[in-house]
Amino acid sequence: EVQLVESGGGLVQPGGSLRLSCAASGFTFSDYWMHWVRQAPGKGLVWVSRIRSDGSITSYADSVKGRFTISRDNAKNTLYLQMNSLRAEDTAVYYCARVYSGSGAFDIWGQGTMVTVSS
Amino acid sequence: QSALTQPASVSGSPGQSITISCTGSSSDVGGYNYVSWYQQHPGKAPKLMIYDVINRPSGVSNRFSGSKSGNTASLTISGLQAEDEADYYCSSYTRSSTWVFGGGTKLTVL
Repeated sequence: EVQLVESGGGLVQPGGSLRLSCAASGFTFSDYWMHWVRQAPGKGLVWVSRIRSDGSITSYADSVKGRFTISRDNAKNTLYLQMNSLRAEDTAVYYCARVYSGSGAFDIWGQGTMVTVSS
Repeated sequence: QSALTQPASVSGSPGQSITISCTGSSSDVGGYNYVSWYQQHPGKAPKLMIYDVINRPSGVSNRFSGSKSGNTASLTISGLQAEDEADYYCSSYTRSSTWVFGGGTKLTVL
């Protein structure tokens, strides 16, 4: 079964750090671009970051640029999001998503992991 | 990058058709055929319904269709069913090599 499972979320104080993980299974992880998308409670989806299949290209939303770092370990079939200098407005469910091959869409999503930034 | 513009809500009766619009600019929706649509039920992860403007992934009902004209993309759902009640989001690739989502549309099946 093709699957993405996020982990690493939790409660963190403003200014703190957290690293999210996304474990992939059921497909050749190293063949796919991967993304992070977040959703604040009761709000809409917001794109966060992407990484090329080999890790050589990354992009970030302006709101997280310089604070978040996306990376991947293809040997471990795992995607990461290192989040530093966290702010209250970063509070959200974070989803990892796979790019539908050859398209600009996300066909496989994880169940999400909740990040709460609060003192 | 500003969010794409979607109506906050739409509604329709079972069996009817509805259309959800998604308006951007020439830097995103109008400039690329990388518009996709997602369905999200409460507490669930989004599900891909339409990709690259008009294409349906395997397993998605043919009651769902997509189109685009200029800077506005549209999702049409025909033969509305109770299970279609959900939030719908559009998304587009942008000139800045990033992605942008719409604000979301809540579909109510009356």
